[in-house]
Amino acid sequence: GGIITQTPKFLIGQEGQKLTLKCQQNFNHDTMYWYRQDSGKGLRLIYYSITENDLQKGDLSEGYDASREKKSSFSLTVTSAQKNEMAVFLCASSITGEEQYFGPGTRLTVL
Amino acid sequence: GDSVTQTEGQVALSEEDFLTIHCNYSASGYPALFWYVQYPGEGPQFLFRASRDKEKGSSRGFEATYDKGTTSFHLRKASVQESDSAVYYCALDNTNTGKLTFGDGTVLTVKP
Repeated sequence: GGIITQTPKFLIGQEGQKLTLKCQQNFNHDTMYWYRQDSGKGLRLIYYSITENDLQKGDLSEGYDASREKKSSFSLTVTSAQKNEMAVFLCASSITGEEQYFGPGTRLTVL
Repeated sequence: GDSVTQTEGQVALSEEDFLTIHCNYSASGYPALFWYVQYPGEGPQFLFRASRDKEKGSSRGFEATYDKGTTSFHLRKASVQESDSAVYYCALDNTNTGKLTFGDGTVLTVKP
């Protein structure tokens, strides 16, 4: 089996601040994803990457950047955090087109 | 664009009750359909998928049948347990790239 690690578990930032979330997987999966989960809502795709150095925008990419430095890691940057923004950011990986394996999430709070 | 609608936002049952969570989709083409389950403090976990009309997916006593005619993939379980309490998400992949569209989720609470 494998595991997805997300750091940090909790992230508190100030309005306007640039914040970076990190994700590592040891499944050796090609494809990795970043989702945003708001309370009472489904998951919305921010970015995904089908191979190292590839980036594809999801439905919610505005206000975010992503980087796939190597096959096992995928970072997400909130370019300018918005006040009262609170959500859980979930990273996932998969063999392309197959079921996705999710990490435990990073909970973001912006003061 | 593609969308997934889960009718029930919350479902409250007692142990051994029968569960149905309704999922309807709107998509062009022939999407793959999924169910995921999320326990508190964890990321979603894959339950099962179905890729063609009349195909049944199942896992851990849960099941759903792909119905292209009614564009539905309803989740059912004959006898729920307290440990089934979680949030259940229906999702579709219409591109075969893993780009999933999720429903809003259904919170299932099972009382002993």
